[in-house]
Amino acid sequence: QITLKESGPTLVKPTQTLTLTCTFSGFSLSTTGVGVGWIRQPPGKALEWLALISWDDDKRFSPSLKTRLTITKDTSKNQVVLTMANMAPVDTATYYCAHYFGYEIHSWGQGSLVTVSS
Amino acid sequence: QSALTQPASVSGSPGQSITISCTGTSRDVGNYNLVSWYQQHPGKAPKLIIYEGSERPSGVSSRFSGSKSGNTASLTISGLLAEDEADYYCCSYAGSGIVDVFGTGTKVTVL
Repeated sequence: QITLKESGPTLVKPTQTLTLTCTFSGFSLSTTGVGVGWIRQPPGKALEWLALISWDDDKRFSPSLKTRLTITKDTSKNQVVLTMANMAPVDTATYYCAHYFGYEIHSWGQGSLVTVSS
Repeated sequence: QSALTQPASVSGSPGQSITISCTGTSRDVGNYNLVSWYQQHPGKAPKLIIYEGSERPSGVSSRFSGSKSGNTASLTISGLLAEDEADYYCCSYAGSGIVDVFGTGTKVTVL
């Protein structure tokens, strides 16, 4: 059974850097074709794709957020970390991590609500 | 990269069939057979119901089916049930640069 869980701060101040950790089980990020991605959803709005890190350490980012995002993996700990710099109130959202097989999401974490406010 | 276009809302009576469209471009939906669909109930995480355009994961009802024509993908829910009331999102692979783009989302109401 595949499970993923996001962890990190629930409140960040404007201009701060957000660090979110995805801890997963039921699969290995060293398996060919596997990846872990991040998606966010502002309250009452649609899903927005953010980033993906693959089994071979290939990294992809949303073009509109590329300059603010970093993504890393620790295969031994079954964790993926996303950082987003220079947070603003418009970045308030539920952040999901997800298990990719190929280029499609097959499983999602429960989500972590992050509010940006001073 | 713009979001894929979905109708804001679709409704139907129990037992009826409804179809949700997802319109992209030749750079995403039209170029790859990698459209997935997700169901999201209020306050919950999305759940995969269709992948690779028309494949159903194990455990997903056969009442859900997917198809594609040109730059538009579609999700059909047949034999509508009250439990199908939820938000539905399409998602398409868009190439090695951006990887994925989501749809605008459709709220399904069971009358």
